[in-house]
Amino acid sequence: GIQVEQSPPDLILQEGANSTLRCNFSDSVNNLQWFHQNPWGQLINLFYIPSGTKQNGRLSATTVATERYSLLYISSSQTTDSGVYFCAVDDTGGFKTIFGAGTRLFVKA
Amino acid sequence: DAGVTQSPTHLIKTRGQQVTLRCSPKSGHDTVSWYQQALGQGPQFIFQYYEEEERQRGNFPDRFSGHQFPNYSSELNVNALLLGDSALYLCASSRGGQPDISFAEAFFGQGTRLTVV
Repeated sequence: GIQVEQSPPDLILQEGANSTLRCNFSDSVNNLQWFHQNPWGQLINLFYIPSGTKQNGRLSATTVATERYSLLYISSSQTTDSGVYFCAVDDTGGFKTIFGAGTRLFVKA
Repeated sequence: DAGVTQSPTHLIKTRGQQVTLRCSPKSGHDTVSWYQQALGQGPQFIFQYYEEEERQRGNFPDRFSGHQFPNYSSELNVNALLLGDSALYLCASSRGGQPDISFAEAFFGQGTRLTVV
């Protein structure tokens, strides 16, 4: 089945710093989403981005489907950005959504 | 517009017991998927329901079963609970359709935290 790898696994930033999170996937995908999981376990939708580039405030994402990767950019990080960021893809021909292992981000004040 | 709602939020069960978790999808959504998230890991796909039928299943034993009702809400049942079933159970809803149509953005509920003792 399709493999999803996220890097880095852990990231510590000083407030105000910028960061790039990466998601690689091993095969063609139908959909790709980025989520932020808060300390209470809620998965919050950040981007639905099977291809192309989107921006939402301090966050932006780019998916290059032909090269099988997606990037999540966080600019001017804030302590509230702390949590786990997941990339999730739907494999073609099926209805199964596969999550990466996540990037654990801690932003220091 | 209420998002995806799950109940209960927390649950403690004893080994060998059975548990039922419930999920109401986001308005306008007809597809429900269930995930298990162990501590420190990413969510693992259990199964997906569409048109009241299970249409795909992940690598979970038959102890895990589900149901979807005509109003699109869903239940996850786990029989003969094991200590290893302790996890956060997440429900996601989306719009159905063919897998090659890219509109199936999924929205998640807050989860049910199950502890098996």
